[in-house]
Amino acid sequence: SQQGEEDPQALSIQEGENATMNCSYKTSINNLQWYRQNSGRGLVHLILIRSNEREKHSGRLRVTLDTSKKSSSLLITASRAADTASYFCATDQGGSEKLVFGKGTKLTVNP
Amino acid sequence: DAGVTQSPTHLIKTRGQHVTLRCSPISGHKSVSWYQQVLGQGPQFIFQYYEKEERGRGNFPDRFSARQFPNYSSELNVNALLLGDSALYLCASSLGWGYYEQYFGPGTRLTVT
Repeated sequence: SQQGEEDPQALSIQEGENATMNCSYKTSINNLQWYRQNSGRGLVHLILIRSNEREKHSGRLRVTLDTSKKSSSLLITASRAADTASYFCATDQGGSEKLVFGKGTKLTVNP
Repeated sequence: DAGVTQSPTHLIKTRGQHVTLRCSPISGHKSVSWYQQVLGQGPQFIFQYYEKEERGRGNFPDRFSARQFPNYSSELNVNALLLGDSALYLCASSLGWGYYEQYFGPGTRLTVT
């Protein structure tokens, strides 16, 4: 079963615009991660935010976490065509290293 | 350093056959996990191995099995293949217990006909 649910399922924007994706989850977590996947290949780890953190930045990425609402958001600023990919949030199972992924958001950045 | 490697890249099997998928983790990583990703879905956890012991198992039938070798590489075996086993099988490695960031290989695309 999948714990996380990303929203929207698909997002199409123009190069230079910002892209925001949301993730909701069901159970308590120790941390939440975001991954990117290009064209059905391997996933690339983007960022990890711990349950006691509220916001984290990495380059053009900004992640927020609201444990009271069991939700997270990923913001990609000044998007590029190379950002076109599927983005997944993944949560741990309360101490287990088993990652539970959502269905993902498919982002298309048009040149 | 080389990333996680998986072999083969693609595989076509017939229903009822058996398949073995292989994974080599990043050098220094002692934990290996396996995920199944069906088209249009997120990856689903199958197994985790750490120091050659099974540390976690997902909701998959006993037809799925795995093992980890002394060099920390791993094999995923699937017996009596079903059409529904067609998927991308992903291997991920991490430093070890308590390290949550996982590094994924490119995957093995399994097609069952």
